[in-house]
Amino acid sequence: GAVVSQHPSRVICKSGTSVKIECRSLDFQATTMFWYRQFPKQSLMLMATSNEGSKATYEQGVEKDKFLINHASLTLSTLTVTSAHPEDSSFYICSARLLQGGKAFFGQGTRLTVV
Amino acid sequence: DAKTTQPPSMDCAEGRAANLPCNHSTISGNEYVYWYRQIHSQGPQYIIHGLKNNETNEMASLIITEDRKSSTLILPHATLRDTAVYYCIVRDAFFGNEKLTFGTGTRLTIIP
Repeated sequence: GAVVSQHPSRVICKSGTSVKIECRSLDFQATTMFWYRQFPKQSLMLMATSNEGSKATYEQGVEKDKFLINHASLTLSTLTVTSAHPEDSSFYICSARLLQGGKAFFGQGTRLTVV
Repeated sequence: DAKTTQPPSMDCAEGRAANLPCNHSTISGNEYVYWYRQIHSQGPQYIIHGLKNNETNEMASLIITEDRKSSTLILPHATLRDTAVYYCIVRDAFFGNEKLTFGTGTRLTIIP
């Protein structure tokens, strides 16, 4: 199946700093990518929908100025957690959908720990 | 709104068939049923999807009832590596960019 690569897989940062997470579709083009967050023992919660060449659409309750999303090409979307705090520590997962067909493929996730 | 209902957990003996049920009583005619699974600390993995016919691939079979209000994912010969959380999701087929909304899923444990 199609491959979605996320980088880094694990990151530890100091409180107040910013962290960038990359999501790449390796063998297909994705006009839309999705960013999810998952806290321990909970399900995936959609944060935002990232559209190539336009502004991301954020879910209710997600601060767009804190979670900056850029989708500059058909194969790359980035999520930047700005001024990270310990409560932002979570598992962040991206997803990309093939231009044709309904299947969505997920990255391996990024474990963010803010200390 | 929760569009699907799944049991929170299930056990299955290794080598036996694992049957995971899902209720989606409010499903509309345009909506597909998708199944994903998430092994601990990994991103979700696509398993299978269907509209109204039963489907089979190398991973699993999907049985959808005639009224489409429920479905069953079947792992024919479960192995220890099938231990994961399984998510049943319904999604509109005509809006290609519509997001996938995850419920709480079923935690499947394969017993040696």
